[in-house]
Amino acid sequence: ETGVTQSPTHLIKTRGQQVTLRCSSQSGHNTVSWYQQALGQGPQFIFQYYREEENGRGNFPPRFSGLQFPNYSSELNVNALELDDSALYLCASSDRQGAGTDTQYFGPGTRLTVL
Amino acid sequence: QQQVKQSPQSLIVQKGGISIINCAYENTAFDYFPWYQQFPGKGPALLIAIRPDVSEKKEGRFTISFNKSAKQFSLHIMDSQPGDSATYFCAASITGGFKTIFGAGTRLFVKA
Repeated sequence: ETGVTQSPTHLIKTRGQQVTLRCSSQSGHNTVSWYQQALGQGPQFIFQYYREEENGRGNFPPRFSGLQFPNYSSELNVNALELDDSALYLCASSDRQGAGTDTQYFGPGTRLTVL
Repeated sequence: QQQVKQSPQSLIVQKGGISIINCAYENTAFDYFPWYQQFPGKGPALLIAIRPDVSEKKEGRFTISFNKSAKQFSLHIMDSQPGDSATYFCAASITGGFKTIFGAGTRLFVKA
């Protein structure tokens, strides 16, 4: 059983650019959630994807968007990057069965720096 | 109402001592309360979790105490070891919901 993987590990962009981050969910998991973790803070929920559809969204602007693919892997896209977007972006996978489950397994994260 | 308040912000404990981290929540709809451990450069890892139908859960050296009426829960690390030095996050979610709310974290340092 493979764990959650994310790529790339680190990324440096400039303001106004666009970025795509990738996540492969744990084997057998059908749900992926994305979180933003600023330095010294707890993770903040961005959105969740379940069976290729957005299942819920946190307080993030529309320039944060995502996709989930048939193999349950996922992408996070951020357009028009701002300096405040610099953070660790975490992907978490879980196995949602009907009523839902709560155990999330996190990947190592992608460290995004916006200059 | 969606916040989870965590304290202390940082904690220094002697090796062999007990580390205690506290969290409080407002939303009574929360019904799942996990604790995560995060080492520098790594993602959070699930440590232990509890539901409101029990007041205590123990796994090895880690114990969660839950007070439903006070809307508070805490993590106790017994016999703390230098390898326990990490950041700990409490969290809360609603079964069938889609997001987990995290506390701000507690940086634990265990002195050898």
